[in-house]
Amino acid sequence: QVQLVQSGSELKKPGASVKVSCKASGYTFTSYAMNWVRQAPGQGLEWMGWINTNTGNPTYAQGFTGRFVFSLDTSVSTAYLQISSLKAEDTAVYYCARAGFGEGWFDPWGQGTLVTVSS
Amino acid sequence: SYVLTQPPSVSVAPGKTARITCGGNNIGSKSVHWYQQKPGQAPVLVIYYDSDRPSGIPERFSGSNSGNTATLTISRVEAGDEADYYCQVWDSSSDHHYVFGTGTKVTVL
Repeated sequence: QVQLVQSGSELKKPGASVKVSCKASGYTFTSYAMNWVRQAPGQGLEWMGWINTNTGNPTYAQGFTGRFVFSLDTSVSTAYLQISSLKAEDTAVYYCARAGFGEGWFDPWGQGTLVTVSS
Repeated sequence: SYVLTQPPSVSVAPGKTARITCGGNNIGSKSVHWYQQKPGQAPVLVIYYDSDRPSGIPERFSGSNSGNTATLTISRVEAGDEADYYCQVWDSSSDHHYVFGTGTKVTVL
């Protein structure tokens, strides 16, 4: 079945970096885009951007430029989210989610990765 | 940027009908998708293209979209429907290509 499996929870200190992985299975990885969504504690869903799995070209939503980097390893059907210079306000659950290229919906979602930034 | 507004909460008795609205400027011209998120879990798609149901989603879930409001309707509500629900559209006119609604907490009384 189509599935996205993310890496485990992370506890980081302010200023550090973190890399979250999202491994896809059950479909052709390059046939769909991969999106990233943030959910801060007790808050709603916030779309961070997406990466074209054919070209590797990322698109970042407003507010997610500079410290956030999307990347791929198509040989293992895996997408990555790297966040640098972590701040306390980056504490959140980060989800990867598959979508078509362009207009569409997110299905399925990864199980989420909790990133906690604390000194 | 495009804004989608949902009521923070909706309460409904078991067996009754819950209606969750999603307001946006001329949202009827866009395709609306809906997600259910239970505590500690990832969101799950329950409606796509305004009113289509993915396989495995009960017929009790339905959707509509017209004018400035899209609506997710849950008929014959069950205790297991208690969750947060989010609407979502794709907006090509803003930097936020994908936009989520503010979310609605459905409480089953």
